[in-house]
Amino acid sequence: LAKTTQPISMDSYEGQEVNITCSHNNIATNDYITWYQQFPSQGPRFIIQGYKTKVTNEVASLFIPADRKSSTLSLPRVSLSDTAVYYCLVGDRGGNTPLVFGKGTRLSVIA
Amino acid sequence: DTGVSQDPRHKITKRGQNVTFRCDPISEHNRLYWYRQTLGQGPEFLTYFQNEAQLEKSRLLSDRFSAERPKGSFSTLEIQRTEQGDSAMYLCASSLRIGSQETQYFGPGTRLLVL
Repeated sequence: LAKTTQPISMDSYEGQEVNITCSHNNIATNDYITWYQQFPSQGPRFIIQGYKTKVTNEVASLFIPADRKSSTLSLPRVSLSDTAVYYCLVGDRGGNTPLVFGKGTRLSVIA
Repeated sequence: DTGVSQDPRHKITKRGQNVTFRCDPISEHNRLYWYRQTLGQGPEFLTYFQNEAQLEKSRLLSDRFSAERPKGSFSTLEIQRTEQGDSAMYLCASSLRIGSQETQYFGPGTRLLVL
């Protein structure tokens, strides 16, 4: 399973764009990159998933360079409610392997 | 609310007691996963089912742990002879695997405290 490395924590002011980078140097050809968000005392919530280039949905954008050894989750104009832990996961989207979570990145949004 | 429910949300028990947790997945989902999460860590995989078949168990799932999904719908996770080290959040997730695509949706978790 490809291992991921993320910053332990990040701080941001409200209204700013936040970019969280994840390194996954050993990503396999079949692996997809998935990001989850987790609030205290809740289960993780799926945010976005991608394989290459750029993926955008109503919540976030995911940028993946050509070598796929890293990815960046971009949260536009964060608010206090975006304070959470963000997990980057790499794995076979087909579900042949269970999700492997690291410690994630704790994002604190300040007013 | 993802549509995955777990019961109870909180459980306090004394060491040595047995506890059972229930997970109700999204109705059409064929896969159901159990994870455990301790403070400051990400969730750790325990086991998963495809329909009623238990397909994989983690080494974390000691012989005191047992999981069932009898009719391919809800699932239960039982911990026998609980130990203080079992204190954690137990998370359930469900997914619908179609071809090569699968996204897991998590429930709110059951927080267990073993005294």
